Amino acid sequence: DSGVTQTPKHLITATGQRVTLRCSPRSGDLSVYWYQQSLDQGLQFLIQYYNGEERAKGNILERFSAQQFPDLHSELNLSSLELGDSALYFCASSTAQGAKGYTFGSGTRLTVV
Amino acid sequence: QKEVEQDPGPLSVPEGAIVSLNCTYSNSAFQYFMWYRQYSRKGPELLMYTYSSGNKEDGRFTAQVDKSSKYISLFIRDSQPSDSATYLCAMSPAGGAQKLVFGQGTRLTINP
Repeated sequence: DSGVTQTPKHLITATGQRVTLRCSPRSGDLSVYWYQQSLDQGLQFLIQYYNGEERAKGNILERFSAQQFPDLHSELNLSSLELGDSALYFCASSTAQGAKGYTFGSGTRLTVV
Repeated sequence: QKEVEQDPGPLSVPEGAIVSLNCTYSNSAFQYFMWYRQYSRKGPELLMYTYSSGNKEDGRFTAQVDKSSKYISLFIRDSQPSDSATYLCAMSPAGGAQKLVFGQGTRLTINP
């Protein structure tokens, strides 16, 4: 167990629907990152939050949004889902020292049908 | 052109072989270089961490960074079937809480 908890592990939903993925960071970590992993694109950075505030944004679609709550857990909201959104979504957390303390959760596998 | 290029493989070698995995990058600002190992249906886990140029060794694993060539490598000695996984290189321009830029990952199989 890495200490980063992601729920749900699997999600199957229909096109056009909206889903919420949840991430609880490792205890003491202030920074949360969301990544999307698909077969042909590898791990793509979506967004980062640090202590409740958005810190960096990657190639995140406008249909996607995220937030980090006061208890530091984070949610990634995906709406108007398309078949191409099917992927593994990973959350990672880190200390203020960053990369050396970067820990990934086990991911949420999203299938859009 | 992607910031980080990594041959996706797949790469298949016999047990005991020396494995060489490589990444090239284009952003000269990258200073921190990492290798992650990802088993099927699991999250990536940090394997090696290197700052700037040079070599770092940890057991059977050696990471090399050549900033002048924008080229990093991971060597696995005496490879074992349990080393079968996808290996991803990752890098960032600075320390602290920064996003990482990943290569596509190389799928490695070690055959007994």
